[in-house]
Amino acid sequence: GAGVSQSPSNKVTEKGKDVELRCDPISGHTALYWYRQSLGQGLEFLIYFQGNSAPDKSGLPSDRFSAERTGGSVSTLTIQRTQQEDSAVYLCASSLGLGGNGYTFGSGTRLTVV
Amino acid sequence: GQQLNQSPQSMFIQEGEDVSMNCTSSSIFNTWLWYKQDPGEGPVLLIALYKAGELTSNGRLTAQFGITRKDSFLNISASIPSDVGIYFCAGLQGNKLVFGAGTILRVKS
Repeated sequence: GAGVSQSPSNKVTEKGKDVELRCDPISGHTALYWYRQSLGQGLEFLIYFQGNSAPDKSGLPSDRFSAERTGGSVSTLTIQRTQQEDSAVYLCASSLGLGGNGYTFGSGTRLTVV
Repeated sequence: GQQLNQSPQSMFIQEGEDVSMNCTSSSIFNTWLWYKQDPGEGPVLLIALYKAGELTSNGRLTAQFGITRKDSFLNISASIPSDVGIYFCAGLQGNKLVFGAGTILRVKS
């Protein structure tokens, strides 16, 4: 597509429920990144993919967080047993190479855990 | 945690004024980038810097990559109302970008 597309744009969920956040990168972009932005904070790295593999998962905050990418395209970030501290905007970005030319970000998914 | 220290945290300026913000790090970065984020949107790349000492302009924006590779600044000349937003610096670390906490810019018309 023309840009990075994320869905849903907003998600309200009850504490303890699982959520799935989807990212459609720009066609042909081999690298895909997930970041989290809490209110008033900068962007916190979660995980990145090169193709379908994830060489760096170091930013995932706990084992409740997981992500996968299939077909070198769409990625899904899953949060199990959501907690209130998971509330944030989850941003996805993609790039042709590995970040040196900058990423193109999606508009994010605003997750609210109540 | 954050490795980039960005300042100021926020600024409130008059339309037409020039703006300056900077970013410092205790680590060396070989690529620095500046992004702007509007409400409800993802950050958008403004300027990318690849060489120590490099000075790059993009319209009213000018950014410099510090000689030590541990700092960068962004200047906005003759600010206009649409410059409001959050400005982030970012450094390339391995294969991922590390972001500063952002500078919130508000412009009085």
